[in-house]
Amino acid sequence: DTGVSQDPRHKITKRGQNVTFRCDPISEHNRLYWYRQTLGQGPEFLTYFQNEAQLEKSRLLSDRFSAERPKGSFSTLEIQRTEQGDSAMYLCASSFGTGGKLFFGSGTQLSVL
Amino acid sequence: KQEVTQIPAALSVPEGENLVLNCSFTDSAIYNLQWFRQDPGKGLTSLLLIQSSQREQTSGRLNASLDKSSGRSTLYIAASQPGDSATYLCAASDTGTASKLTFGTGTRLQVTL
Repeated sequence: DTGVSQDPRHKITKRGQNVTFRCDPISEHNRLYWYRQTLGQGPEFLTYFQNEAQLEKSRLLSDRFSAERPKGSFSTLEIQRTEQGDSAMYLCASSFGTGGKLFFGSGTQLSVL
Repeated sequence: KQEVTQIPAALSVPEGENLVLNCSFTDSAIYNLQWFRQDPGKGLTSLLLIQSSQREQTSGRLNASLDKSSGRSTLYIAASQPGDSATYLCAASDTGTASKLTFGTGTRLQVTL
């Protein structure tokens, strides 16, 4: 197993466009998390899944953001009508069970022009 | 609301020195506390995880301690090396679901030759 994979690594888009990111967790991990990180800050929690169920969402996750994890495997994070304030590194992580170590992917760097 | 603070924000030490990074959190009702390393433009690598019932964890040259009553954790790095240069982040997980990590803003460490 090669760890958590995220695709794409970089995404440049124009304001108002929709973007979708993909995350493939470590295969035996049942929990999957999305975080957002801006320069000089720590990551901020967005949402998490246990298997295919989305169990918690941060208030940071506005109506323009939607995440899915069909069949409890990979996950997608979609941002509709992107704004310049959405520019950030989007990080995916996975873990096994309650309170386990989080394993992070390399992130997707989003730039909204 | 949990708040995590890391001091100092940046630290430069000569190779071979021992050093301590500090982390404080406002809500002592945590499930666990994790320390991560982040290299520029990359994702996070988990270093140590301390359960709320534990006092410390060790891995190689790294030792992390936890004092819930005072809301503090420290990361001790022995015999620092240039390869240790990175940003170190601590994160406290919420009780119950242990689903959400609240991160500090990190300490940027530079180990010089």
